Amino acid sequence: QQPVQSPQAVILREGEDAVINCSSSKALYSVHWYRQKHGEAPVFLMILLKGGEQKGHEKISASFNEKKQQSSLYLTASQLSYSGTYFCGTGNAGKSTFGDGTTLTVKP
Amino acid sequence: DAGVIQSPRHEVTEMGQEVTLRCKPISGHDYLFWYRQTMMRGLELLIYFNNNVPIDDSGMPEDRFSAKMPNASFSTLKIQPSEPRDSAVYFCASSLGAQSYGYTFGSGTRLTVV
Repeated sequence: QQPVQSPQAVILREGEDAVINCSSSKALYSVHWYRQKHGEAPVFLMILLKGGEQKGHEKISASFNEKKQQSSLYLTASQLSYSGTYFCGTGNAGKSTFGDGTTLTVKP
Repeated sequence: DAGVIQSPRHEVTEMGQEVTLRCKPISGHDYLFWYRQTMMRGLELLIYFNNNVPIDDSGMPEDRFSAKMPNASFSTLKIQPSEPRDSAVYFCASSLGAQSYGYTFGSGTRLTVV
């Protein structure tokens, strides 16, 4: 079943912070996050495995709470280059299902 | 590494024609996935392979779609006959282990069926 992402869209000014959430109705083994810019392929950001670990990439970090079947992506001090659509993928039994995406727009 | 290589980048074809999309995964990756992306349905998993063996094709829309992976370095997705509703961007992705590693996506094939 497809994970649910929120919000659907976010508009920020440079330097502001944002949080994107991903939740699933099924037990999760892993959650992975991608950023896709218009007309390009999704690019892998990070993966979180069972254990509630947090990971970081540049000023982007994420958490995974497998009990709540949720993950959150934290974008700190956003830059113009952070603009794009962010997808979470929830892994189970060898394959991943992606959420509908959250479109992030960072303005100067 | 050149990454995941897909061809062609763009394909325009007439309804009823056969379309073949190609993918070369990253060397050493043992999982290969075919996804389709549209505005209406987002990223949909069509089929995936592990060590060249199809594991789950439950996402393949209908019998018009077929996929093969004859060896570790090549996969094809074929649509025969094509229909306008097949218009989408088709992505191939590969991974070293499906649940503990992220996916590397190819640049995609934008298919337009007229």
